[in-house]
Amino acid sequence: QVQLVESGGGVVQPGRSLRLSCAASGLTFTKFAMHWVRQTPGKGLEWVAVISYDGSNKYYADSVKGRFTISRDDSKNTLDLQMNSLRVEDTAVYYCVRDLEEYSSGWRSSPFDHWGLGTLVTVSS
Amino acid sequence: EIVLTQSPEFQSVTPKEKVTITCRASQSIGSSLHWYQQKPGQSPKLLIKYGSQSFSGVPSRISGSGSGTDFALTINSLEAEDAATYYCHQTVSLPQTFGQGTKVEIK
Repeated sequence: QVQLVESGGGVVQPGRSLRLSCAASGLTFTKFAMHWVRQTPGKGLEWVAVISYDGSNKYYADSVKGRFTISRDDSKNTLDLQMNSLRVEDTAVYYCVRDLEEYSSGWRSSPFDHWGLGTLVTVSS
Repeated sequence: EIVLTQSPEFQSVTPKEKVTITCRASQSIGSSLHWYQQKPGQSPKLLIKYGSQSFSGVPSRISGSGSGTDFALTINSLEAEDAATYYCHQTVSLPQTFGQGTKVEIK
C-alpha cells in the first residue's frame, strides 16, 4: 500500500533554514504530482506547494514564494521541501500529499488520496 | 484566491441523527470540490471527490452534493466513529484552498 513518511521537522529560530523530506513507497512515484500541505490550529489546512509528476512545473503559495523550494528525486522516490528564512508563522505540521490522478501538471490537480502522518516544524526564538 | 466558507463550525449530534455541512465558494468552481475527514492525531482522509463521487471504502451513509458555488456533505444516521473535523477543498485553481473545518461531536 502507499506510504508517505515525512522527516526533518524540528525547532528552529526565525530566519534559519530547514529541509523536510518525504519518502514514498508502494506507488509508481514518477506518475504523480506531489504536494506539501501544512496545518496549524489557528489557520487550519493550507496548501504550500506542488511539483508536477515529471518535475517540470512547481507552484507555491504566496506566503512561501521565494523562501521555500519543492523538489523531487525520482531515483530515490523522495519529495523535499527546502525552507529558508523561516518565520514564526511557518510553525505547523507539514504533510506530504499525493494527487489522486496520474500525470498532473500541478496547475489544476485532483483531490489528495494519500497523506503522510506529518512532521512538526516549530519556528521560535 | 478562492475562499471556501464552511458552516456550521461546530455541531453536536446524537447517534443516528443526520448531519449536513455546507461549503460555499467565493466564485464558481464547477465540481472541483472535495471533502475530507480528520480525526484527532490523524491525517485527513478523502471522503468525497468532485462534489458527489464517493471515494473508495467510504460508508454509503456519507454523501456529497452540489456544484458551482454551493456544496454539502451529508452523513445519514451518524455513528460514533463519525466524530471528527470535516474539511472541504477546491482544486479548480491555484492556490488550492480549504474550508476552515467543521467539528462534529457525538452527544
